[in-house]
Amino acid sequence: AQSVTQLDSQVPVFEEAPVELRCNYSSSVSVYLFWYVQYPNQGLQLLLKYLSGSTLVKGINGFEAEFNKSQTSFHLRKPSVHISDTAEYFCAVRPLSGNTPLVFGKGTRLSVIA
Amino acid sequence: ETGVTQTPRHLVMGMTNKKSLKCEQHLGHNAMYWYKQSAKKPLELMFVYNFKEQTENNSVPSRFSPECPNSSHLFLHLHTLQPEDSALYLCASSQDWSGRSRTGELFFGEGSRLTVL
Repeated sequence: AQSVTQLDSQVPVFEEAPVELRCNYSSSVSVYLFWYVQYPNQGLQLLLKYLSGSTLVKGINGFEAEFNKSQTSFHLRKPSVHISDTAEYFCAVRPLSGNTPLVFGKGTRLSVIA
Repeated sequence: ETGVTQTPRHLVMGMTNKKSLKCEQHLGHNAMYWYKQSAKKPLELMFVYNFKEQTENNSVPSRFSPECPNSSHLFLHLHTLQPEDSALYLCASSQDWSGRSRTGELFFGEGSRLTVL
Protein backbone atom coordinates (compact mmCIF):
# COMPACT_ATOMS: atom_id res chain seq x y z
CA ALA A 1 0.00 0.00 0.00
CA GLN A 2 1.06 3.57 -0.62
CA SER A 3 0.93 6.55 1.73
CA VAL A 4 1.66 10.24 1.37
CA THR A 5 2.84 12.64 4.04
CA GLN A 6 2.65 16.37 3.55
CA LEU A 7 4.81 17.65 6.32
CA ASP A 8 3.25 21.10 6.68
CA SER A 9 -0.46 21.69 7.06
CA GLN A 10 -0.08 25.45 6.65
CA VAL A 11 2.61 27.57 5.01
CA PRO A 12 2.43 31.37 5.20
CA VAL A 13 4.77 33.24 2.88
CA PHE A 14 5.17 36.83 1.76
CA GLU A 15 4.41 37.82 -1.80
CA GLU A 16 7.38 37.45 -4.20
CA ALA A 17 9.20 35.16 -1.76
CA PRO A 18 10.14 31.58 -2.71
CA VAL A 19 8.18 28.64 -1.33
CA GLU A 20 8.66 24.91 -0.94
CA LEU A 21 5.82 22.55 -0.06
CA ARG A 22 7.09 19.21 1.13
CA CYS A 23 5.78 15.80 0.19
CA ASN A 24 7.14 12.38 1.17
CA TYR A 25 5.66 9.09 0.14
CA SER A 26 5.94 5.45 1.12
CA SER A 27 5.69 2.65 -1.41
CA SER A 28 7.27 -0.73 -2.04
CA VAL A 29 6.85 -0.31 -5.80
CA SER A 30 7.53 2.44 -8.30
CA VAL A 31 4.94 5.18 -8.42
CA TYR A 32 3.56 8.03 -10.44
CA LEU A 33 3.52 11.32 -8.52
CA PHE A 34 1.18 14.28 -8.77
CA TRP A 35 0.59 17.72 -7.32
CA TYR A 36 -2.91 19.18 -7.40
CA VAL A 37 -4.08 22.67 -6.41
CA GLN A 38 -7.49 23.60 -5.04
CA TYR A 39 -8.55 27.23 -5.07
CA PRO A 40 -11.37 28.29 -2.70
CA ASN A 41 -14.74 26.77 -3.58
CA GLN A 42 -13.34 24.86 -6.52
CA GLY A 43 -12.30 21.33 -7.37
CA LEU A 44 -8.75 20.03 -7.66
CA GLN A 45 -6.68 20.99 -10.68
CA LEU A 46 -3.52 19.22 -11.81
CA LEU A 47 -0.37 21.33 -11.31
CA LEU A 48 2.20 18.81 -12.52
CA LYS A 49 3.03 15.13 -12.61
CA TYR A 50 6.04 12.86 -12.66
CA LEU A 51 5.67 9.73 -14.75
CA SER A 52 9.26 8.92 -15.79
CA GLY A 53 12.40 10.55 -17.18
CA SER A 54 13.78 13.83 -15.87
CA THR A 55 13.35 14.15 -12.14
CA LEU A 56 12.67 17.89 -12.39
CA VAL A 57 9.12 18.47 -13.54
CA LYS A 58 7.70 21.82 -14.55
CA GLY A 59 4.02 22.59 -14.18
CA ILE A 60 1.56 25.39 -14.61
CA ASN A 61 1.73 28.80 -12.93
CA GLY A 62 5.52 28.66 -12.54
CA PHE A 63 5.58 25.68 -10.18
CA GLU A 64 8.08 22.85 -10.39
CA ALA A 65 8.78 19.70 -8.40
CA GLU A 66 11.72 17.39 -8.06
CA PHE A 67 11.43 13.64 -7.68
CA ASN A 68 14.02 12.21 -5.31
CA LYS A 69 13.79 8.43 -5.28
CA SER A 70 16.36 7.86 -2.55
CA GLN A 71 14.53 10.22 -0.20
CA THR A 72 11.08 9.24 -1.48
CA SER A 73 10.20 12.89 -1.83
CA PHE A 74 8.44 15.05 -4.38
CA HIS A 75 8.69 18.62 -3.07
CA LEU A 76 6.90 21.45 -4.84
CA ARG A 77 8.66 24.77 -5.37
CA LYS A 78 8.04 28.21 -6.78
CA PRO A 79 10.75 30.91 -6.86
CA SER A 80 8.36 33.85 -6.40
CA VAL A 81 4.78 33.50 -5.23
CA HIS A 82 1.81 35.72 -5.97
CA ILE A 83 -1.32 36.46 -3.98
CA SER A 84 -3.23 34.34 -6.48
CA ASP A 85 -1.23 31.26 -5.41
CA THR A 86 -3.13 31.18 -2.13
CA ALA A 87 -4.77 27.76 -2.19
CA GLU A 88 -4.66 24.21 -0.86
CA TYR A 89 -2.04 21.95 -2.43
CA PHE A 90 -2.30 18.17 -2.51
CA CYS A 91 0.40 15.63 -3.25
CA ALA A 92 -0.73 12.24 -4.60
CA VAL A 93 0.82 8.93 -5.65
CA ARG A 94 -0.24 5.89 -7.60
CA PRO A 95 1.67 2.65 -8.26
CA LEU A 96 2.76 2.02 -11.83
CA SER A 97 0.68 -1.14 -12.00
CA GLY A 98 -2.39 -2.49 -10.33
CA ASN A 99 -5.92 -1.29 -9.85
CA THR A 100 -5.63 1.33 -7.16
CA PRO A 101 -6.71 4.95 -7.41
CA LEU A 102 -4.57 7.92 -6.42
CA VAL A 103 -3.63 8.18 -2.76
CA PHE A 104 -3.70 11.78 -1.56
CA GLY A 105 -1.88 13.57 1.21
CA LYS A 106 -3.78 15.69 3.70
CA GLY A 107 -2.97 18.91 1.89
CA THR A 108 -0.94 22.04 2.61
CA ARG A 109 -2.62 25.38 2.89
CA LEU A 110 -0.44 28.05 1.22
CA SER A 111 -1.26 31.59 2.31
CA VAL A 112 0.49 34.38 0.44
CA ILE A 113 0.71 37.61 2.39
CA ALA A 114 0.90 41.00 0.68
CA GLU B 1 -19.05 21.78 -22.30
CA THR B 2 -15.64 20.46 -21.41
CA GLY B 3 -14.12 18.54 -18.53
CA VAL B 4 -16.13 17.38 -15.57
CA THR B 5 -19.36 19.15 -14.64
CA GLN B 6 -21.14 18.80 -11.31
CA THR B 7 -24.64 19.95 -10.43
CA PRO B 8 -25.88 21.46 -8.27
CA ARG B 9 -22.94 23.51 -7.02
CA HIS B 10 -24.71 24.15 -3.73
CA LEU B 11 -27.40 22.11 -1.97
CA VAL B 12 -29.12 22.58 1.37
CA MET B 13 -31.29 19.75 2.58
CA GLY B 14 -33.05 18.58 5.68
CA MET B 15 -32.31 15.29 7.31
CA THR B 16 -35.46 13.70 5.91
CA ASN B 17 -35.05 14.91 2.32
CA LYS B 18 -34.00 12.91 -0.70
CA LYS B 19 -31.78 14.61 -3.23
CA SER B 20 -29.23 13.67 -5.86
CA LEU B 21 -25.89 15.02 -7.02
CA LYS B 22 -25.04 14.71 -10.68
CA CYS B 23 -21.69 14.46 -12.43
CA GLU B 24 -21.02 14.42 -16.15
CA GLN B 25 -17.67 14.07 -17.91
CA HIS B 26 -16.92 15.02 -21.50
CA LEU B 27 -13.41 13.56 -21.63
CA GLY B 28 -14.15 10.11 -22.99
CA HIS B 29 -13.03 8.51 -19.74
CA ASN B 30 -14.18 5.16 -18.42
CA ALA B 31 -13.63 5.53 -14.68
CA MET B 32 -15.54 7.89 -12.38
CA TYR B 33 -15.16 8.63 -8.69
CA TRP B 34 -16.93 10.27 -5.77
CA TYR B 35 -14.82 11.92 -3.07
CA LYS B 36 -15.93 13.60 0.14
CA GLN B 37 -13.99 16.61 1.40
CA SER B 38 -14.80 17.77 4.92
CA ALA B 39 -13.24 20.66 6.75
CA LYS B 40 -9.94 19.75 8.40
CA LYS B 41 -10.07 16.17 7.07
CA PRO B 42 -8.24 14.54 4.19
CA LEU B 43 -9.98 13.66 0.96
CA GLU B 44 -12.08 10.53 1.39
CA LEU B 45 -12.62 8.23 -1.57
CA MET B 46 -16.22 7.03 -1.46
CA PHE B 47 -16.94 5.12 -4.66
CA VAL B 48 -15.21 4.15 -7.89
CA TYR B 49 -16.85 2.99 -11.10
CA ASN B 50 -14.79 1.49 -13.91
CA PHE B 51 -16.63 0.83 -17.17
CA LYS B 52 -19.93 1.34 -15.27
CA GLU B 53 -19.07 -1.34 -12.72
CA GLN B 54 -18.57 -0.38 -9.10
CA THR B 55 -15.07 -1.38 -8.08
CA GLU B 56 -14.64 0.46 -4.78
CA ASN B 57 -16.98 1.16 -1.90
CA ASN B 58 -14.99 2.42 1.04
CA SER B 59 -17.40 1.52 3.84
CA VAL B 60 -19.74 4.34 2.91
CA PRO B 61 -23.06 4.44 4.83
CA SER B 62 -26.07 3.22 2.89
CA ARG B 63 -27.66 6.66 3.04
CA PHE B 64 -25.30 7.42 0.13
CA SER B 65 -26.27 5.49 -2.99
CA PRO B 66 -24.24 5.84 -6.19
CA GLU B 67 -25.49 5.20 -9.69
CA CYS B 68 -23.50 5.03 -12.91
CA PRO B 69 -25.81 4.53 -15.91
CA ASN B 70 -22.99 4.98 -18.43
CA SER B 71 -19.33 5.96 -18.52
CA SER B 72 -20.17 9.66 -18.83
CA HIS B 73 -22.61 10.08 -15.96
CA LEU B 74 -22.40 9.47 -12.25
CA PHE B 75 -25.00 10.20 -9.58
CA LEU B 76 -24.92 10.24 -5.82
CA HIS B 77 -28.37 9.74 -4.31
CA LEU B 78 -28.77 11.13 -0.82
CA HIS B 79 -31.40 10.21 1.77
CA THR B 80 -31.84 10.63 5.52
CA LEU B 81 -28.47 12.34 5.82
CA GLN B 82 -26.91 13.58 9.04
CA PRO B 83 -25.44 17.02 9.74
CA GLU B 84 -21.95 15.48 9.75
CA ASP B 85 -22.49 14.62 6.08
CA SER B 86 -22.19 18.31 5.26
CA ALA B 87 -19.14 18.59 3.01
CA LEU B 88 -17.87 19.29 -0.48
CA TYR B 89 -18.55 16.30 -2.71
CA LEU B 90 -16.13 16.02 -5.58
CA CYS B 91 -16.57 13.98 -8.69
CA ALA B 92 -13.56 12.93 -10.76
CA SER B 93 -12.84 10.87 -13.84
CA SER B 94 -9.85 9.08 -15.35
CA GLN B 95 -9.18 7.08 -18.50
CA ASP B 96 -9.61 3.92 -16.45
CA TRP B 97 -7.46 2.40 -13.79
CA SER B 98 -6.48 -0.98 -15.06
CA GLY B 99 -3.35 -1.84 -16.93
CA ARG B 100 0.21 -0.64 -16.84
CA SER B 101 -0.32 2.13 -19.37
CA ARG B 102 -2.71 4.11 -17.22
CA THR B 103 -1.33 6.82 -15.00
CA GLY B 104 -4.55 7.14 -13.02
CA GLU B 105 -4.50 10.91 -13.40
CA LEU B 106 -7.75 12.32 -12.10
CA PHE B 107 -9.77 15.16 -13.57
CA PHE B 108 -12.04 16.83 -11.03
CA GLY B 109 -15.27 18.74 -11.19
CA GLU B 110 -15.77 21.89 -9.14
CA GLY B 111 -17.70 20.07 -6.45
CA SER B 112 -21.15 20.19 -4.89
CA ARG B 113 -21.26 21.94 -1.52
CA LEU B 114 -23.80 20.06 0.62
CA THR B 115 -25.26 21.41 3.83
CA VAL B 116 -27.48 19.15 5.91
CA LEU B 117 -29.66 20.94 8.44
